[in-house]
Amino acid sequence: AQKVTQAQTEISVVEKEDVTLDCVYETRDTTYYLFWYKQPPSGELVFLIRRNSFDEQNEISGRYSWNFQKSTSSFNFTITASQVVDSAVYFCALSEAINVNQGGKLIFGQGTELSVKP
Amino acid sequence: GAVVSQHPSWVICKSGTSVKIECRSLDFQATTMFWYRQFPKQSLMLMATSNEGSKATYEQGVEKDKFLINHASLTLSTLTVTSAHPEDSSFYICSAERLAGVPDTQYFGPGTRLTVL
Repeated sequence: AQKVTQAQTEISVVEKEDVTLDCVYETRDTTYYLFWYKQPPSGELVFLIRRNSFDEQNEISGRYSWNFQKSTSSFNFTITASQVVDSAVYFCALSEAINVNQGGKLIFGQGTELSVKP
Repeated sequence: GAVVSQHPSWVICKSGTSVKIECRSLDFQATTMFWYRQFPKQSLMLMATSNEGSKATYEQGVEKDKFLINHASLTLSTLTVTSAHPEDSSFYICSAERLAGVPDTQYFGPGTRLTVL
């Protein structure tokens, strides 16, 4: 069975601190995709990153960086120099293997609510 | 690019009425659309997967006669909550995926908040 675990339900930091959001996944597929989405208070999910199972390179985008380690089935997300606008719920998600008749279903973690205080 | 809209953004209805929610991909064609519901402080739960021109595939435990899904075109999917009851009150979110057969990125709509009185 596929599963995504975000053990941290809530994190509170002060502005300019670095913060890492953990994500651990379980899957039997050899081909899969991992995602991070941000859900601000407005409710709309914002796509942050997509990573396939064959690409273990870490990625950096501005203040955001992602660490993908297949050996530990983890896909952690770090925000450097956090800002108040980063306050949101962040979801890690796993996509099932390819099905020619339908797109990939996303399995979401429970989400981590990040609060960045000024 | 990859913008998904939902209408309405919020709706309040009386118990027993039906409510239709529209999901549109504005700048791309979506062969697959997904419908989720989210309760407060909880994660997204997939309700069904809809492919253009075919019947929707519902997740276990989701009543297909209560949540009617129609994916009439490559840019529009609708979710109708029939005979809504207070327990159906939730945040409903759709997403659209551009490519069939490949787990492409899902782009999400802004959600529809349904309140059933």
